[in-house]
Amino acid sequence: DTGVSQDPRHKITKRGQNVTFRCDPISEHNRLYWYRQTLGQGPEFLTYFQNEAQLEKSRLLSDRFSAERPKGSFSTLEIQRTEQGDSAMYLCASRSRSGNTIYFGEGSWLTVV
Amino acid sequence: DAKTTQPTSMDCAEGRAANLPCNHSTISGNEYVYWYRQIHSQGPQYIIHGLKNNETNEMASLIITEDRKSSTLILPHATLRDTAVYYCIVREGQAGTALIFGKGTTLSVSS
Repeated sequence: DTGVSQDPRHKITKRGQNVTFRCDPISEHNRLYWYRQTLGQGPEFLTYFQNEAQLEKSRLLSDRFSAERPKGSFSTLEIQRTEQGDSAMYLCASRSRSGNTIYFGEGSWLTVV
Repeated sequence: DAKTTQPTSMDCAEGRAANLPCNHSTISGNEYVYWYRQIHSQGPQYIIHGLKNNETNEMASLIITEDRKSSTLILPHATLRDTAVYYCIVREGQAGTALIFGKGTTLSVSS
């Protein structure tokens, strides 16, 4: 499968714990996006990378959230001190340098109990 | 905020064409119209996009009005597997900016 890959697909954690999600974009896609989606809502933009540079962050990305893309390939999204309100699906997407289309992964479901 | 307006829900009989409208009256000259769909619990799936001309691919057709203020996504022969939330999004083509999703249209295809 050469699509956007996300891991883990499902995570259940206790409130206050830290969690990390990984995203592997489509090969040679230099642009990478993170979104969050709660039940009944459309995906909400969190942050955007071009290569290893984080160029845009939404106000939704609180201080407890941090995203990295150290070598311009895979990316991680860490949530510290999780809260029940963090329960959502976290989506990763990527786009090539020259293409117009953004492709999404299948998402990582987070449940905070 | 999303720059598009879509009906909340639509129904379609299996085998018939599904025509999903979208209004984007404030679209600017360099913004494309993108359509994605999301089947329950899956990531959004790209369907089609266009700038001015009508577009067709193996999944759907996109009809954009001459003034570009509205568009219609056509699924020519809807199947039960086309039941999903359909999102219409406007965005600059080459810019790095993210897709901004609205609430979309929930299409229900029934037999």
